[in-house]
Amino acid sequence: GAGVSQSPRYKVAKRGQDVALRCDPISGHVSLFWYQQALGQGPEFLTYFQNEAQLDKSGLPSDRFFAERPEGSVSTLKIQRTQQEDSAVYLCASSRYTYEQYFGPGTRLTVT
Amino acid sequence: TQLLEQSPQFLSIQEGENLTVYCNSSSVFSSLQWYRQEPGEGPVLLVTVVTGGEVKKLKRLTFQFGDARKDSSLHITAAQPGDTGLYLCAGAQGAQKLVFGQGTRLTINP
Repeated sequence: GAGVSQSPRYKVAKRGQDVALRCDPISGHVSLFWYQQALGQGPEFLTYFQNEAQLDKSGLPSDRFFAERPEGSVSTLKIQRTQQEDSAVYLCASSRYTYEQYFGPGTRLTVT
Repeated sequence: TQLLEQSPQFLSIQEGENLTVYCNSSSVFSSLQWYRQEPGEGPVLLVTVVTGGEVKKLKRLTFQFGDARKDSSLHITAAQPGDTGLYLCAGAQGAQKLVFGQGTRLTINP
């Protein structure tokens, strides 16, 4: 079956611009996670949804970051007033059993 | 924040050699996963270990979870160029987020 998909794959934004990153999880997976991966590092947790409920947003670095999953399927990660330090790969993962997560290909965000 | 330390961070060896990658923490994890990530792609799950002392084999890859569930190792026998990639360990506490190590970048030279 289809895996996790993310769009766009690449995004270049000027500093101060708002961006929206989309994640389509595997069908039937109730849990959805967002991670941020800096160059040469492992992914770092941003936020977690179970169905439409955002149960943990402790990893969001600032109030410029906002995530939603209104119907318990597709999720959007929004970053307002982007800064250069926001440049990273943003990974989405979904799971049926929470400790086994399946990742999408990521969106590479470059803020200039 | 729990930290997972991976070692080595970089490893370059010749085809046919054996290698071991380590993943250590001072925290206990309910499970630990190993992922492999190719450039431009997301991490791909290789294995999940749950029980302390558990050993799982996946062809030439052997994964071990420490008895105290704080550490893990990945051993590759007779490495091949196709094994080249970034290997990540990730620990789960409870049923939520994963905490990742910084990764081991493995290069197998023909």
